Amino acid sequence: DADVTQTPRNRITKTGKRIMLECSQTKGHDRMYWYRQDPGLGLRLIYYSFDVKDINKGEISDGYSVSRQAQAKFSLSLESAIPNQTALYFCATSDFGGWDPSNVDTQYFGPGTRLTVL
Amino acid sequence: QKEVEQNSGPLSVPEGAIASLNCTYSDRGSQSFFWYRQYSGKSPELIMSIYSNGDKEDGRFTAQLNKASQYVSLLIRDSQPSDSATYLCAVKGNNRLAFGKGNQVVVIP
Repeated sequence: DADVTQTPRNRITKTGKRIMLECSQTKGHDRMYWYRQDPGLGLRLIYYSFDVKDINKGEISDGYSVSRQAQAKFSLSLESAIPNQTALYFCATSDFGGWDPSNVDTQYFGPGTRLTVL
Repeated sequence: QKEVEQNSGPLSVPEGAIASLNCTYSDRGSQSFFWYRQYSGKSPELIMSIYSNGDKEDGRFTAQLNKASQYVSLLIRDSQPSDSATYLCAVKGNNRLAFGKGNQVVVIP
């Protein structure tokens, strides 16, 4: 089974609809992240969470919200979807491991959700 | 200035040749550096991580880090058609990763 799973894998929705993307992980990592990827713009961080009680905005959080339901689950919501939120969305996880420089806190990515907002 | 820059356009290399990718970053406090490979429509996959100056080798891949000049590079030796992908440079600072836009590599058989 995959270590990081995302549901749904593909979603087509209409402007104004509420959408939730879900991420689950079995890696036992404490840190989880949501990114979006657009052609020509690279990966951009939406929100991140270092534990269940910790939620932080990334560089493009407007129009999005998140919920960290458990250590293993991190959901991304679009309260009222708009066409420019059409993108590929990735969840990622990492294990902090401590402050030694050799603990590089590598992020591992889920398979992605392709979201289209019409 | 963008945080992480990968300026080269698509790179075409013959099979068996060396592919060289470069990345520069703006934050001198950056702590660790990563190269990810991404096939079209798929998720990024970690190739290499490096945190100290110098070279780090893993199989056909070598990452090179120069903090004084603020660049990190990736060499792919004996390039194979399966290496055809987009390579993303990522830099960790302030508890988050900043990604470059990626470089597409095409290995020609």
